[in-house]
Amino acid sequence: GAGVSQSPSNKVTEKGKDVELRCDPISGHTALYWYRQSLGQGLEFLIYFQGNSAPDKSGLPSDRFSAERTGGSVSTLTIQRTQQEDSAVYLCASSSGPVYEQYFGPGTRLTVT
Amino acid sequence: KQEVTQIPAALSVPEGENLVLNCSFTDSAIYNLQWFRQDPGKGLTSLLLIQSSQREQTSGRLNASLDKSSGRSTLYIAASQPGDSATYLCSVTGAGSYQLTFGKGTKLSVIP
Repeated sequence: GAGVSQSPSNKVTEKGKDVELRCDPISGHTALYWYRQSLGQGLEFLIYFQGNSAPDKSGLPSDRFSAERTGGSVSTLTIQRTQQEDSAVYLCASSSGPVYEQYFGPGTRLTVT
Repeated sequence: KQEVTQIPAALSVPEGENLVLNCSFTDSAIYNLQWFRQDPGKGLTSLLLIQSSQREQTSGRLNASLDKSSGRSTLYIAASQPGDSATYLCSVTGAGSYQLTFGKGTKLSVIP
């Protein structure tokens, strides 16, 4: 079947604008994760959704970042009032459960000018 | 806080050589350890997943071992090929957190 997909693949935005990044997980996967990969920091966990449980938001760097998952499937990561330090590749992953193998999407490269 | 370290940061080997990539982690309370490869400008491809109760996993020319008590894992690549050139990332799933903590990776170059 299809893997994890993300859109857009690239996004260039001006500082101060809001952006939305989308993730379509593998069908049937109950767990969904967002990570951020930047040159200086490596790969960092942002947020985790499992079924209908409250999400683990412990990795979100500021209150400008939020995410939702509608109907237990598609997820949207929103960054408000973007800053240059938000420039990174945002990766989404899904798995069939919280301790199972995670499958990653191709990522969205965000550039804030 | 879990920390994952990968050594070396970069490695260059001639084609055909066997090689070992190292990963260490500070907190042995993990659910599993997963090795990924990442090609430039691409996402992560899962290579091997080792559950905390397991000692090793094998897939083709790849073998990963896990010594949870000492906080170490190795990824062994046999008979390396130019197509193996990529960055290899080690990650652990912490007990009770379900998030992956990643090392900074080993960039492998296999020279034809």
